[in-house]
Amino acid sequence: EVQLVESGGGLVRPGRSLRLSCAASGFNFRAYAMTWVRQAPGKGLEWVGFIRSNPDGGTTENAASVRDRFTISRDDSKSIVYLEMNSLTTEDTAFYYCTRSAAGYADYWGQGTLVTVSS
Amino acid sequence: EIVLTQSPGTLSLSSGERATLSCRASQSVNSNYLAWYQQKPGQAPRLVIYGTSNRASGIPDRFSGRGSGTDFTLTINRLEPEDFAVYYCQQYGTSPLTFGGGTKVEI
Repeated sequence: EVQLVESGGGLVRPGRSLRLSCAASGFNFRAYAMTWVRQAPGKGLEWVGFIRSNPDGGTTENAASVRDRFTISRDDSKSIVYLEMNSLTTEDTAFYYCTRSAAGYADYWGQGTLVTVSS
Repeated sequence: EIVLTQSPGTLSLSSGERATLSCRASQSVNSNYLAWYQQKPGQAPRLVIYGTSNRASGIPDRFSGRGSGTDFTLTINRLEPEDFAVYYCQQYGTSPLTFGGGTKVEI
């Protein structure tokens, strides 16, 4: 059974940093790209970015709204994908979902972790 | 970036009726790489359709998708109580990947 479990969310002050983790199990993690999607409370879905599998280069792409502030990385030995978030603003307050990317679309989703940016 | 506009914003229907949801793209979606997701309150989204018309695993055949280019449709025949939710379309053919604003299907 495919499982994705996010962790690391919480309350953080504006301008600070936070790292989210997503532990994957139940599939060959090394073979898949992984994507982060966020959702501000009561709002729609926003693509944050993804990281390709290492066989496909392991490169990343981010949304313009987070480029230069957010970094996605992966540790295939642990089946974990990370989202490093710097210079956080109140606009980054959202549920952050980790998803498995199957040719671009998200076929499995974690339950999400809430990040609240507030002073 | 490709902007996806979903309509209507809210669809008020009864069980047993048909729901027709629209997703219009600001430019052509590459290779019809268009997906639909269902989200119920307090839950993560769930994949319903990928590649415009392919049902995801476990999705009943009352769900169907069609379209091409810039116009896409999700149809839900014979609505069941568990189908009432918010539905999002997403294009994944061009970076940045983008989502529509969602359509709420309510009773």
